[in-house]
Amino acid sequence: GAVVSQHPSRVICKSGTSVKIECRSLDFQATTMFWYRQFPKQSLMLMATSNEGSKATYEQGVEKDKFLINHASLTLSTLTVTSAHPEDSSFYICSARDPRGSGNEQFFGPGTRLTVL
Amino acid sequence: GESVGLHLPTLSVQEGDNSIINCAYSNSASDYFIWYKQESGKGPQFIIDIRSNMDKRQGQRVTVLLNKTVKHLSLQIAATQPGDSAVYFCATRGGSQGNLIFGKGTKLSVKP
Repeated sequence: GAVVSQHPSRVICKSGTSVKIECRSLDFQATTMFWYRQFPKQSLMLMATSNEGSKATYEQGVEKDKFLINHASLTLSTLTVTSAHPEDSSFYICSARDPRGSGNEQFFGPGTRLTVL
Repeated sequence: GESVGLHLPTLSVQEGDNSIINCAYSNSASDYFIWYKQESGKGPQFIIDIRSNMDKRQGQRVTVLLNKTVKHLSLQIAATQPGDSAVYFCATRGGSQGNLIFGKGTKLSVKP
């Protein structure tokens, strides 16, 4: 199957700083990528949909000025957590939809564990 | 709104036994369903999917059953192995851009 990578895999930062997480589709071009957040022992919750060349679509309750998304190319989307606070500590996972084949299948990155001190 | 839920939060089985993980969904218009496996500290891994025009689909050691009448989905794992230990999520496609809506998850533990 297609491969999606994330970087970094883990990050620890101080409260008030900003953190950038990268999501790359390695062997296919993804016009649409998705960002999810997962708290411990909970399910994945969609934060936003990232479209190449246009503004991201945010889910209700997700602050667009706090979680900045940039889909600069067909293989890269970035999520920047601005002015991070301890409550932003979570597992952030991206996925990319592979347009080949049925176009339905989404491939997930390995996730980024963010810890805000 | 759409919700996807699971009946059992945890499931413990003996190695070699069959496992059945259940899922209920609320939107009768849902047309595509997927099962994912998530190991600790990793992203979800695609297992198998099924469209609403089917009621059964088989993969390698896994079978997904869809009952649209009662809006129920199940994942059957044959001859469960220790490597199958993980959290399993059902998901359905939501939104116009194809984002996924995930169920709560079932933790499968396989006893050797």
